[in-house]
Amino acid sequence: GDSVTQMEGPVTLSEEAFLTINCTYTATGYPSLFWYVQYPGEGLQLLLKATKADDKGSNKGFEATYRKETTSFHLEKGSVQVSDSAVYFCALKGSGSGGSYIPTFGRGTSLIVHP
Amino acid sequence: NAGVTQTPKFQVLKTGQSMTLQCAQDMNHEYMSWYRQDPGMGLRLIHYSVGAGITDQGEVPNGYNVSRSTTEDFPLRLLSAAPSQTSVYFCASSRNPDSNQPQHFGDGTRLSIL
Repeated sequence: GDSVTQMEGPVTLSEEAFLTINCTYTATGYPSLFWYVQYPGEGLQLLLKATKADDKGSNKGFEATYRKETTSFHLEKGSVQVSDSAVYFCALKGSGSGGSYIPTFGRGTSLIVHP
Repeated sequence: NAGVTQTPKFQVLKTGQSMTLQCAQDMNHEYMSWYRQDPGMGLRLIHYSVGAGITDQGEVPNGYNVSRSTTEDFPLRLLSAAPSQTSVYFCASSRNPDSNQPQHFGDGTRLSIL
């Protein structure tokens, strides 16, 4: 079945550092890929998405490129802020028949940014 | 636009009690689902629904019931609460089952079973 693997956290950075959170996936067909962010005490929010190979999703300075050849969707940001401290989830929704509407989530990566 | 609304935000129960976690969305979304989030376990799917009158089991359905009598509402019922059900529960919805539609989450219900 479908699966998503994220790097384990926490990831601890200083403000203005470069961020990469790795995400790889296993799926049949051509899934859509998502990054969600969860701030303390809140639900998950969509951060960005990409629906086909080589698409780049971007939002709030975050970017991720859908790499089918490496089955990856790594999240990057050039300069993190304290306000980016949160848990980040990579997810996919498959394109195959039967159950494709059920998303698969990674376990989440906690990001802590220090001033 | 309220989005996905969950009530209550916090609840403490005694073992054996029953209760209903409420979830409502005002976006006319077809697909709704319930997850529980536990430390180190990520999100685990409890039940889901692809439309009014249609529900199905997810990864961890035991001890929970759902119904979907309207498009807007998708309540989760704990039949006889157990300490293992202490968790944070999230309701989510999406416009339809298409693969490129993202999930919209509520802010969660934090449930403790004593």
